[in-house]
Amino acid sequence: NAGVTQTPKFRVLKTGQSMTLLCAQDMNHEYMYWYRQDPGMGLRLIHYSVGEGTTAKGEVPDGYNVSRLKKQNFLLGLESAAPSQTSVYFCASSYRDTEAFFGQGTRLTVV
Amino acid sequence: AQSVTQLDSHVSVSEGTPVLLRCNYSSSYSPSLFWYVQHPNKGLQLLLKYTSAATLVKGINGFEAEFKKSETSFHLTKPSAHMSDAAEYFCVVSEAGAGSYQLTFGKGTKLSVIP
Repeated sequence: NAGVTQTPKFRVLKTGQSMTLLCAQDMNHEYMYWYRQDPGMGLRLIHYSVGEGTTAKGEVPDGYNVSRLKKQNFLLGLESAAPSQTSVYFCASSYRDTEAFFGQGTRLTVV
Repeated sequence: AQSVTQLDSHVSVSEGTPVLLRCNYSSSYSPSLFWYVQHPNKGLQLLLKYTSAATLVKGINGFEAEFKKSETSFHLTKPSAHMSDAAEYFCVVSEAGAGSYQLTFGKGTKLSVIP
């Protein structure tokens, strides 16, 4: 029973480097989300997807891109990492507006 | 637009005493409301959810919450705190029927339990 799996769990990047975070879910959920968590800010939505091949911007999309080529996967890309993108990133999936299931998070540090 | 306000950033209780974590929401449609818990360096776990059925919702680990439409509140309670309840709690709103499936999070309430 994997649920939502994020890779990698930890990463350190240098400013200007690029990387992709992978989220995979095995619950056949239509909706998938990427959030970032910063102290005192709660979780803020970066991008989300309501189905394969569709994506939409959330509250804090700048500096990130996403793709949903397969229903079970949702990729988050950073083209040119900045120190302000140091955060913990969470992926989640849900069946429409029911409860979301979260991955264990990716701790990203940009130096 | 939907929004969530958690009225306390930090709550401290003694073990065995009641817990009250307060949440107010704003929603243009019939909301779905959730409480999630996050233990240190862990992911988020669903505690309970309200989706327009009974207004008093029971969750895991003895927690419950009451949906009060007139007060736009969804406060989380537990009769007796346990040391293992120390964690951060998030109130979350999703607007059913709005065509928008974003989950909006409150900023979180950190619960400390004193032995």
